Amino acid sequence: DAKTTQPNSMESNEEEPVHLPCNHSTISGTDYIHWYRQLPSQGPEYVIHGLTSNVNNRMASLAIAEDRKSSTLILHRATLRDAAVYYCILRDWESSGDKLTFGTGTRLAVRP
Amino acid sequence: GAVVSQHPSWVICKSGTSVKIECRSLDFQATTMFWYRQFPKQSLMLMATSNEGSKATYEQGVEKDKFLINHASLTLSTLTVTSAHPEDSSFYICSASTPSGHEQYFGPGTRLTVT
Repeated sequence: DAKTTQPNSMESNEEEPVHLPCNHSTISGTDYIHWYRQLPSQGPEYVIHGLTSNVNNRMASLAIAEDRKSSTLILHRATLRDAAVYYCILRDWESSGDKLTFGTGTRLAVRP
Repeated sequence: GAVVSQHPSWVICKSGTSVKIECRSLDFQATTMFWYRQFPKQSLMLMATSNEGSKATYEQGVEKDKFLINHASLTLSTLTVTSAHPEDSSFYICSASTPSGHEQYFGPGTRLTVT
């Protein structure tokens, strides 16, 4: 899987939007961009995924750069429950199927 | 969303004994399940891919004779840590893919402590 680069940590205030960046300059045309998050002492949780177009769901929005070399996960109103490690993962369905390779992620702290 | 359970949630065992961890997909059939290991302050490391009715595929560096994986049905995969040692103490997490494949659902994890 192509490599992703994320900041080690970020902080946000409660009820404010959060933009979590991810760089993936070596992304291939068949790589999907996936985001998962892991709350303390729990298994990861699926957040969102996309290929080329921006995506929205009840949890977050995913903004994908036009050249696909970067993406941003947007949490519209951070809550204390959003404090977690957020993982940006590229998945090439054709070569690796369902396999996910986790990087180090971004640890998000939310201030009350 | 889909639910994946793990049992037990935590286990303490003595060095040299074996421990079995169960992973179940509760409301969907999972032809493929994955097993991860996570040490404190580190990311998840994929150990193996478990396919229903066939042998598991292990990642490089993972001992298949030490970490036995069985995927006997579409809703159950088990990981047995054989002859456990203190260095096997870790957080073990399973996941399963939905039929569409895009989303993976993770279990809550099993914390193994080997004394």
